[in-house]
Amino acid sequence: KAGVTQTPRYLIKTRGQQVTLSCSPISGHRSVSWYQQTPGQGLQFLFEYFSETQRNKGNFPGRFSGRQFSNSRSEMNVSTLELGDSALYLCASSLENLDETQYFGPGTRLLVL
Amino acid sequence: SQQGEEDPQALSIQEGENATMNCSYKTSINNLQWYRQNSGRGLVHLILIRSNEREKHSGRLRVTLDTSKKSSSLLITASRAADTASYFCATALIYNQGGKLIFGQGTELSVKP
Repeated sequence: KAGVTQTPRYLIKTRGQQVTLSCSPISGHRSVSWYQQTPGQGLQFLFEYFSETQRNKGNFPGRFSGRQFSNSRSEMNVSTLELGDSALYLCASSLENLDETQYFGPGTRLLVL
Repeated sequence: SQQGEEDPQALSIQEGENATMNCSYKTSINNLQWYRQNSGRGLVHLILIRSNEREKHSGRLRVTLDTSKKSSSLLITASRAADTASYFCATALIYNQGGKLIFGQGTELSVKP
């Protein structure tokens, strides 16, 4: 099976702009979760989607949002970008939930100038 | 605060030596997962150990779990330069059918040839 794919791999944006990141899970996986990784805060849970529904969200402002489509593909959006949003954004997929093996994509590296 | 805490934060060893990393967590778990990350890339799943298991092996990897102490350890035997990476433990907090996957800060392992 093809692995988890994320697009784009690299992005440069300026403060105030918005960005949309995409994640295609492994075929048959219905749970998709997103993470932000920074040197200072480490790996932090953003949100998880299952069957087009957000099941939970981490401690992030409302500028961070996402959605999942009927084919389980997911997008996350960050509006009004701030310098502190510069990070590696990772998505992961699994069959049903977070309590099982997660398969991660390569990540999208976002730089906000 | 994070569910998982790891030590040491960094570990440098010679090829052929064993490397041990420790992880502590705070709440009851169904399982604990270990992941590896090479230099800012996606995470790769290593081992999942269930709460009713005390030890699990996979190749040169050995994971132990002590639920009474809320701790786990990852042992890599006969290390190789290719094992150089960051290693993370992760636990899932499951509620309302969803939940959060919480990562430790990670241990940065350097294996010198």
